[in-house]
Amino acid sequence: GDSVTQMEGPVTLSEEAFLTINCTYTATGYPSLFWYVQYPGEGLQLLLKATKADDKGSNKGFEATYRKETTSFHLEKGSVQVSDSAVYFCALSPSLGGGSNYKLTFGKGTLLTVNP
Amino acid sequence: EPEVTQTPSHQVTQMGQEVILRCVPISNHLYFYWYRQILGQKVEFLVSFYNNEISEKSEIFDDQFSVERPDGSNFTLKIRSTKLEDSAMYFCASSEAFPRGFYEQYFGPGTRLTVT
Repeated sequence: GDSVTQMEGPVTLSEEAFLTINCTYTATGYPSLFWYVQYPGEGLQLLLKATKADDKGSNKGFEATYRKETTSFHLEKGSVQVSDSAVYFCALSPSLGGGSNYKLTFGKGTLLTVNP
Repeated sequence: EPEVTQTPSHQVTQMGQEVILRCVPISNHLYFYWYRQILGQKVEFLVSFYNNEISEKSEIFDDQFSVERPDGSNFTLKIRSTKLEDSAMYFCASSEAFPRGFYEQYFGPGTRLTVT
């Protein structure tokens, strides 16, 4: 079945450092890929997405590129801020089809702490 | 901004007791989901619900679990006879339905269920 493996962390960085959180997946066909973020006390929020190979998702300075050849979707940010401290989840859903909404398959999540 | 809400934020119950976890999805959404995350493990899909019936469920969602949309706003998850291994964070999510195209699942903040 489908699965997502991501760097477990925790990851601790200083402000303005470069961030990479690795994510690889196993799925048939052409899944859609997502990064969700969970700030303390809140629900999971969609951070960015990519729905086909070589797409780059980006939002709030974060980026991830859908690499089908390496089945990866690594999250990067050039300069992290204290406010980026949160748990980050990589996820996939099966190829989109007509009339259906598909379940998400998540990784375990990576706790990021950014110190001033 | 519309959001998914969940109550209670924390529920403690004794093994064998019934619990009902409540969710209020975003008002114009048509698809509803429950996920759970056992501490230290992945977020796992439990069930999706559309048009007043279950559209998909996982192996975890056995006869002890049920879902209901009792009125126009609430979406509930019932566990009939709780076990210790049901202790987890339970997330509700909802999405609009697009026949072909991208959808986003909006998540609530979760209910932490502790079974003693």
